[in-house]
Amino acid sequence: GAGVSQSPSNKVTEKGKDVELRCDPISGHTALYWYRQSLGQGLEFLIYFQGNSAPDKSGLPSDRFSAERTGGSVSTLTIQRTQQEDSAVYLCASSFPEEQPQHFGDGTRLSIL
Amino acid sequence: GDSVTQMEGPVTLSEEAFLTINCTYTATGYPSLFWYVQYPGEGLQLLLKATKADDKGSNKGFEATYRKETTSFHLEKGSVQVSDSAVYFCALSAWGAQKLVFGQGTRLTINP
Repeated sequence: GAGVSQSPSNKVTEKGKDVELRCDPISGHTALYWYRQSLGQGLEFLIYFQGNSAPDKSGLPSDRFSAERTGGSVSTLTIQRTQQEDSAVYLCASSFPEEQPQHFGDGTRLSIL
Repeated sequence: GDSVTQMEGPVTLSEEAFLTINCTYTATGYPSLFWYVQYPGEGLQLLLKATKADDKGSNKGFEATYRKETTSFHLEKGSVQVSDSAVYFCALSAWGAQKLVFGQGTRLTINP
């Protein structure tokens, strides 16, 4: 079956612009996660959605970062007024509720010029 | 807070050598422990896991044992192959939590 799908695979943008990253989880997976993989910080948790519950936003690094999940499926991570330190690979993962493992997408490589 | 510490890389070995990648953790309660692998050009994928003390996870010839007394989950393989070249991440999910906390990753290169 299809895995976690992320788009775009690569994004280059200028500092100060807004970007949207998309994640399409595995069908039937109600849990969805965003992580960031960067050289200086390794792999870090950003946000977690589970069904209709309030998301766990504890990993978002600043108020420039936000995410939504419409219809319990596709999720969009938005970064406003991008900064160079936002350059990283953004990974999405999904799973059945309260189960491991999480299944990861191939990520979106974001480069801020 | 919860954390995972892995041995720093990069690690370079010859084919058929014995591999150990050390991983220790700090967490309250009883976390679940994981090793994920990222092959060149591919996404993260689960290699093995253990959910309680003394459990041994194994897959593709790799093994790791959940040691609560030493808070460790070291990855081992008796005879590595060139195809094992990848970045390996140790991770935990804390009791009652779903998010993964990752170590820094260890880049492994196996030479023929």
